Amino acid sequence: DQQVKQNSPSLSVQEGRISILNCDYTNSMFDYFLWYKKYPAEGPTFLISISSIKDKNEDGRFTVFLNKSAKHLSLHIVPSQPGDSAVYFCAASQGRRGGSNYKLTFGKGTLLTVNP
Amino acid sequence: GAGVSQSPSNKVTEKGKDVELRCDPISGHTALYWYRQSLGQGLEFLIYFQGNSAPDKSGLPSDRFSAERTGGSVSTLTIQRTQQEDSAVYLCASSLNYRTNTGELFFGEGSRLTVL
Repeated sequence: DQQVKQNSPSLSVQEGRISILNCDYTNSMFDYFLWYKKYPAEGPTFLISISSIKDKNEDGRFTVFLNKSAKHLSLHIVPSQPGDSAVYFCAASQGRRGGSNYKLTFGKGTLLTVNP
Repeated sequence: GAGVSQSPSNKVTEKGKDVELRCDPISGHTALYWYRQSLGQGLEFLIYFQGNSAPDKSGLPSDRFSAERTGGSVSTLTIQRTQQEDSAVYLCASSLNYRTNTGELFFGEGSRLTVL
């Protein structure tokens, strides 16, 4: 039972264009969402996060949008750069509602390739 | 180094053998996590340590898996009588704070385990 789903295993975009990575979740108790980026042979690194009390969070070229009614979030990268090529993982937790607020549930990841 | 350190980076073993994977978290981080990533899957939570509290072992897939954290620092994940389905990348992470909404996880590079 996958609670966090990234339905696109891969995405290819042209340098300078927008990359949109999508993530869906099923557990309505999730209230904190994170994106991690992973290069080959390295551990995942934190990219950006959003609390369920917001619908948008922006950090430079990266913006995360949250649609709670649809249980959907997306990561926008504008403009995309070749160095952004990596696997992007969506993750969720019950960050504010207590319980297992330390436990992240991850999606399977989306491989983004940005072509020069 | 300043990051999370894991060893070995690669381990090939025969089915039925025991293996130990080591994690050295970032100094001062009180929370330590083990995740694993099997081929084509997302990161799967295994176990969580926070200070002197009892660990959350709810993600360990079987009683062949165990982990300990000595002195609140270094952690060892032990897999007894390894099976082929144990083949995966085992990732350790640490964080300053146990709450994921106030402190993201810092991952090591992982230990790739291959069981023949």
